[in-house]
Amino acid sequence: SYVLTQPPSVSVAPGQTARITCGGTNIGSKSVHWYQQKPGQAPVLVVYDDRDRPSGIPDRFSGSNSGNTATLTISRVEAGDEADYYCQVWDNTRAAWVFGGGTKLTVL
Amino acid sequence: EVQLVESGGGLVQSGRSLRLSCAASGFIFNEYAMFWVRQAPGKGLEWVSSINWNSGNRDYADSVKGRFTISRDNAKNSLYLQMNTLRTEDTALYYCAKGARGVISYYFDSWGQGTLVTVSS
Repeated sequence: SYVLTQPPSVSVAPGQTARITCGGTNIGSKSVHWYQQKPGQAPVLVVYDDRDRPSGIPDRFSGSNSGNTATLTISRVEAGDEADYYCQVWDNTRAAWVFGGGTKLTVL
Repeated sequence: EVQLVESGGGLVQSGRSLRLSCAASGFIFNEYAMFWVRQAPGKGLEWVSSINWNSGNRDYADSVKGRFTISRDNAKNSLYLQMNTLRTEDTALYYCAKGARGVISYYFDSWGQGTLVTVSS
């Protein structure tokens, strides 16, 4: 089965840039979607199709995907960005949607 | 505004059954694929099942295949998950999510608040 690997945690100071990676075999050939989940809340889509943002998501959130790594980049990080972030792809070999294990973003 | 409201969760003994419901509003329900995603306490997200707009295509995670059945009633704008032979490892918050068609695959652009299922031994 297709596996997505995320770092368990990332820490960044306010105003700096956070980069959260999502590794998978030839993930660059897939579309990667990213979700933000704050404590006690449902997930929220922040990036879809590698780099597109839903309406209402600040342009501080951006995505890229190439080779074996997709990356969610959060610029000018704010305290309110502190959350768990999950990447997701569709595994066409099993007709299954796969999530990464999640990354906890801590704003120092 | 899209609204998804799950219900039907609760405490149930291992081996028993439970049926979850998701009431949808704010969009044309019969035009969209729908999904169930769960999250065990303190753990990450796990896709459970999906159903296309006319129920012609249904998919399941290996962990629930043969035990869970997804269905929908487009006349009632409702999504369901029939869960049979429940196991303690099915304990989780179950989310209903609306699918959006991306370039290659669906992604989940709206989520409900979830309904908690607790399976005791």
